[in-house]
Amino acid sequence: AQSVTQLDSQVPVFEEAPVELRCNYSSSVSVYLFWYVQYPNQGLQLLLKYLSGSTLVESINGFEAEFNKSQTSFHLRKPSVHISDTAEYFCAVSRRTSSSGGYNKLIFGAGTRLAVHP
Amino acid sequence: EAGVAQSPRYKIIEKRQSVAFWCNPISGHATLYWYQQILGQGPKLLIQFQNNGVVDDSQLPKDRFSAERLKGVDSTLKIQPAKLEDSAVYLCASSSNRGQQYFGPGTRLTVT
Repeated sequence: AQSVTQLDSQVPVFEEAPVELRCNYSSSVSVYLFWYVQYPNQGLQLLLKYLSGSTLVESINGFEAEFNKSQTSFHLRKPSVHISDTAEYFCAVSRRTSSSGGYNKLIFGAGTRLAVHP
Repeated sequence: EAGVAQSPRYKIIEKRQSVAFWCNPISGHATLYWYQQILGQGPKLLIQFQNNGVVDDSQLPKDRFSAERLKGVDSTLKIQPAKLEDSAVYLCASSSNRGQQYFGPGTRLTVT
């Protein structure tokens, strides 16, 4: 079975400061890794994902995450945050399927609330 | 391209009443998921459909929850009778052949 631990339930930060949201996972099999963002009263949106290849993945709005297999981590970082980044961020894993491809169900962490202050 | 639609957006009921939620996935998406998101927790999968067949319902409380996906398109999730601990946001997601999941806005259920 897989599990996800998000180490911080809340992260307050000032605008233009760097931020790191921590995520550790546990799995006995290979997994895909995801970060989702949830703005108030909205559904989850995929921010970025790691499937294979380069361990550093980037999103279009400046976030990046690095897959570290030895530490079973997938921390999310941004060098300079904006007020508009205020949201809840969820780390998730999905067990890799067989050669037929596709994803299995997502296992989510409890979420980290990022609050960006002016 | 239209996203995943859900209704209602909000629902308040008393315990022991019944309630139903509706989801219309993105056109052409074969896989449909229902997640339960309790306040302060991450979403938890309740049931996964592939077309109109159930792939995974291992965490669905089958004594009170039921779900169906008619003709492999729309889906309804029902709770009967509701308990206080069922208060949560119910998220529907869809994907094409178990690819990236796209989420709807959710239905916030309050059981009093």
